[in-house]
Amino acid sequence: EDQVTQSPEALRLQEGESSSLNCSYTVSGLRGLFWYRQDPGKGPEFLFTLYSAGEEKEKERLKATLTKKESFLHITAPKPEDSATYLCAVQASGSARQLTFGSGTQLTVLP
Amino acid sequence: DAGVIQSPRHEVTEMGQEVTLRCKPISGHNSLFWYRQTMMRGLELLIYFNNNVPIDDSGMPEDRFSAKMPNASFSTLKIQPSEPRDSAVYFCASNLGGVPYEQYFGPGTRLTVT
Repeated sequence: EDQVTQSPEALRLQEGESSSLNCSYTVSGLRGLFWYRQDPGKGPEFLFTLYSAGEEKEKERLKATLTKKESFLHITAPKPEDSATYLCAVQASGSARQLTFGSGTQLTVLP
Repeated sequence: DAGVIQSPRHEVTEMGQEVTLRCKPISGHNSLFWYRQTMMRGLELLIYFNNNVPIDDSGMPEDRFSAKMPNASFSTLKIQPSEPRDSAVYFCASNLGGVPYEQYFGPGTRLTVT
């Protein structure tokens, strides 16, 4: 069974204080790993797809990396508007379409 | 593009009533997914369609839940009869059905069953 574990559950940072969120996964063959951002009262917003170990993707202050067992979402010099819940999901190569989601990391960036 | 559209955004109903949630996927996407999100269980896949055909409904909690996709631009999720434990946020998502595999989510319907 595919499993995704995110840590920490919650993270409070001061504005400008860089940090990383972790996503550990167990899957029978990885087709893709996805990062989403979810704001309160809204649907998850797609951020990145990573397909293979060693791959990295960047968007503004966010950088996602992937190894064979985990992914990190690095946040550099965060701003209060980066406050949200960040969700990680995996798609196994054997599954046609399903995503398995982690429980998320709730990030709060204080001004 | 308007993105995935869901209606209603909020629904409050009494136990035993029928509830119908609606979704319009992104134009050109041929896969559609229904998810449920709760604090306890997070995001759970209920059912997904490919080219309007239900492919996997193993996540549908019980027979009270049913979903249809009569055409490429419309899907419904129905709960009959509704129960208080069905209270959750229901999301619809769509994707191309191939590479890239990322799914795009709608704003969700917050369902409260009293």
